[in-house]
Amino acid sequence: DTEVTQTPKHLVMGMTNKKSLKCEQHMGHRAMYWYKQKAKKPPELMFVYSYEKLSINESVPSRFSPECPNSSLLNLHLHALQPEDSALYLCASSQVGTQYFGPGTRLTVL
Amino acid sequence: KNEVEQSPQNLTAQEGEFITINCSYSVGISALHWLQQHPGGGIVSLFMLSSGKKKHGRLIATINIQEKHSSLHITASHPRDSAVYICAVRKGAQKLVFGQGTRLTINP
Repeated sequence: DTEVTQTPKHLVMGMTNKKSLKCEQHMGHRAMYWYKQKAKKPPELMFVYSYEKLSINESVPSRFSPECPNSSLLNLHLHALQPEDSALYLCASSQVGTQYFGPGTRLTVL
Repeated sequence: KNEVEQSPQNLTAQEGEFITINCSYSVGISALHWLQQHPGGGIVSLFMLSSGKKKHGRLIATINIQEKHSSLHITASHPRDSAVYICAVRKGAQKLVFGQGTRLTINP
């Protein structure tokens, strides 16, 4: 199984809502990543978890809260987002080298 | 100036043409990646290079470490190759720095 899955595929939320994005992989990878991608731009790294511990936080606002409950799962909790946070949120995992990306969650904040 | 520069930004070609996309970088790297992103979002890793050349089907990737330059070639291009191709360099163990991408359109 060389797949990274993400749910939901699409999410529309208001600025006062709380929602979560979910990412799952069963490749035994010990590093997992969250990226944010705006239209026609490359992905921007948000967070990296290594062995279930947060190893990189690219100065992301606290309205984005990552969580790694176990080695296969990565969540991104969202609260009080702004319309400019609307983007494609990509999850990836890796062991050594190649990163495997999920299909992304397209988030719209109204 | 971006640490990773790609050219061209946009490329339109006819089916069957030989395609070259270039990537230059200005930082020390542990590896260079070529990625493909189709409309709708999903990113696929095509190659990871630290030296030399790799080939997979109609795709060839080369890297010159001394010149800090890499190229992605597509032979006998096909409309299904239409996508955004992204060069990314790996700094350290985990962090990727991405180029701006090259939007490739292959017309039948």
